[in-house]
Amino acid sequence: GNSVTQMEGPVTLSEEAFLTINCTYTATGYPSLFWYVQYPGEGLQLLLKATKADDKGSNKGFEATYRKETTSFHLEKGSVQVSDSAVYFCALSASNTGNQFYFGTGTSLTVIP
Amino acid sequence: EAQVTQNPRYLITVTGKKLTVTCSQNMNHEYMSWYRQDPGLGLRQIYYSMNVEVTDKGDVPEGYKVSRKEKRNFPLILESPSPNQTSLYFCASSFDRRRQYFGPGTRLTVT
Repeated sequence: GNSVTQMEGPVTLSEEAFLTINCTYTATGYPSLFWYVQYPGEGLQLLLKATKADDKGSNKGFEATYRKETTSFHLEKGSVQVSDSAVYFCALSASNTGNQFYFGTGTSLTVIP
Repeated sequence: EAQVTQNPRYLITVTGKKLTVTCSQNMNHEYMSWYRQDPGLGLRQIYYSMNVEVTDKGDVPEGYKVSRKEKRNFPLILESPSPNQTSLYFCASSFDRRRQYFGPGTRLTVT
């Protein structure tokens, strides 16, 4: 079946540190991959997406590359800010399951000044 | 303003008392979905709808019902709530399945 596994948190970094949050997936066919961000007390917002192998999604300094050979979609940012503190969810949508979405368990990030 | 709204935002109820959480979107999206968010489990899809009168089960549909009589509304119904349905619920909508817009969430406590 389809599933998403992402690195457990919580993650605490100092401002300007480099961020990586690992995400791997299991899917048949050719899924679309997403990173969503949830700020405290809010719903999820799309951060970036990639719809085919080798695509790179990017937004607000965050990047993730769709790696079919390693079934991964790791999230990276070169220099985090306090305002990046949030919970990050990796997700996939697979064509073989109609229109179901599968989310990872979320990774909580806290950035300290 | 394009948005997904949910009501109520917070609800405390007792076991067995039927409740409905409303969801409405103003973006003319065909796709709508309900999720529950639980610690350590992330988001799990309850039901989704591709269009009016078309609904499908997600991963955790037991104990829930939905209806899609109009394009903009997708209520979530708990006919007989139980404590294991205590959770944070999110409604989402999408033009296609490549980007979802989420509502602010409904925190439900069943005692």
